[in-house]
Amino acid sequence: GQNIDQPTEMTATEGAIVQINCTYQTSGFNGLFWYQQHAGEAPTFLSYNVLDGLEEKGRFSSFLSRSKGYSYLLLKELQMKDSASYLCAVRESNYQLIWGAGTKLIIKP
Amino acid sequence: IAGITQAPTSQILAAGRRMTLRCTQDMRHNAMYWYRQDLGLGLRLIHYSNTAGTTGKGEVPDGYSVSRANTDDFPLTLASAVPSQTSVYFCASSEQGDTGELFFGEGSRLTVL
Repeated sequence: GQNIDQPTEMTATEGAIVQINCTYQTSGFNGLFWYQQHAGEAPTFLSYNVLDGLEEKGRFSSFLSRSKGYSYLLLKELQMKDSASYLCAVRESNYQLIWGAGTKLIIKP
Repeated sequence: IAGITQAPTSQILAAGRRMTLRCTQDMRHNAMYWYRQDLGLGLRLIHYSNTAGTTGKGEVPDGYSVSRANTDDFPLTLASAVPSQTSVYFCASSEQGDTGELFFGEGSRLTVL
């Protein structure tokens, strides 16, 4: 069946590094996305991985291992504004997106 | 500013009433989507449209209908609202292509009593 798992909530300290994991079981694979969603707002695109390896974009990096059905989002030099939910989504072979429930990240001073 | 506009932002509705959520985009994207977001669950696709004139059913289509008369507009209609349709509804669009990144509207919070 289709399933995407990510932790419900994580807490980290301002200035630190945090890794948010996502594991998936889907019908085929055609890319993995990470989105950021601040409370009460719309999700916004962060990253896209379709090949194994690390994609770096400023303070944010995303890693994919297709053989393990695993991805992580790495946030460095955490800022208070990074407090948000982070959504993992997998695009299946039919181009439909399957979404995880999201990880709420709380940043403490 | 280019983007997606949804209306209304928030609405309280009596059960059994008909309701249409409006969605307009000015990015000339071919694909548009309606999702609902409920606490503890991932975004769930209600209906989608790959291009003007075509629509398809998503994961949770029952009780909802859509139309796509042109590229820009993609309204979602609840024919007879029920309390289980209380949710936050997001409209989104995307270009066909490598990433297929989704652009979301600000959401419509609907409460059915």
